[in-house]
Amino acid sequence: AQTVTQSQPEMSVQEAETVTLSCTYDTSESDYYLFWYKQPPSRQMILVIRQEAYKQQNATENRFSVNFQKAAKSFSLKISDSQLGDAAMYFCAYCNTNAGKSTFGDGTTLTVKP
Amino acid sequence: DVKVTQSSRYLVKRTGEKVFLECVQDMDHENMFWYRQDPGLGLRLIYFSYDVKMKEKGDIPEGYSVSREKKERFSLILESASTNQTSMYLCASSLTGIAKNIQYFGAGTRLSVL
Repeated sequence: AQTVTQSQPEMSVQEAETVTLSCTYDTSESDYYLFWYKQPPSRQMILVIRQEAYKQQNATENRFSVNFQKAAKSFSLKISDSQLGDAAMYFCAYCNTNAGKSTFGDGTTLTVKP
Repeated sequence: DVKVTQSSRYLVKRTGEKVFLECVQDMDHENMFWYRQDPGLGLRLIYFSYDVKMKEKGDIPEGYSVSREKKERFSLILESASTNQTSMYLCASSLTGIAKNIQYFGAGTRLSVL
């Protein structure tokens, strides 16, 4: 079974600074997707960024980028120029290409200090 | 935009009651999911459905059942609610095909069983 591990239950960052959230996963599959989702306080969870395992290039979405290390099974999220609105719980998720369902990590709560 | 609507944000029930949690999505998604979210445990999959009248057990199906009579609606049923089912319940949906595996979440239902 696939597992997803987020080793940082809580992180904090100063506004305008950069923070990196860690995620490792375990799988025997070669074709899969990885995701970072954001859950703001009392609001719906939304997708931040997606990475296809077959792509070597790291995905980026504006201030959000990932460092995907397939051999190491590592998938970290970097948030640049952190904003107060980035404060949320962030979940790393794995999805086998054919499975349709995802496995989530335990989440990392990010605090942004003004 | 995809909209996933959960019928209640907050629900208080008594031990032994039969509880229905309803979820509706408006984007003709094939896949629908029910998760339970508890502090320190991340999201755990209860049940999911790939099509109308089809369901598969997730990681923690005990004490729950589901119903999917129409494509847009996926119901979670607690046959006899217990205090250990007090939790946040999240519904999600996703497409199949190229955009598959990206999940769209509802706002969640916080259930308290007294």
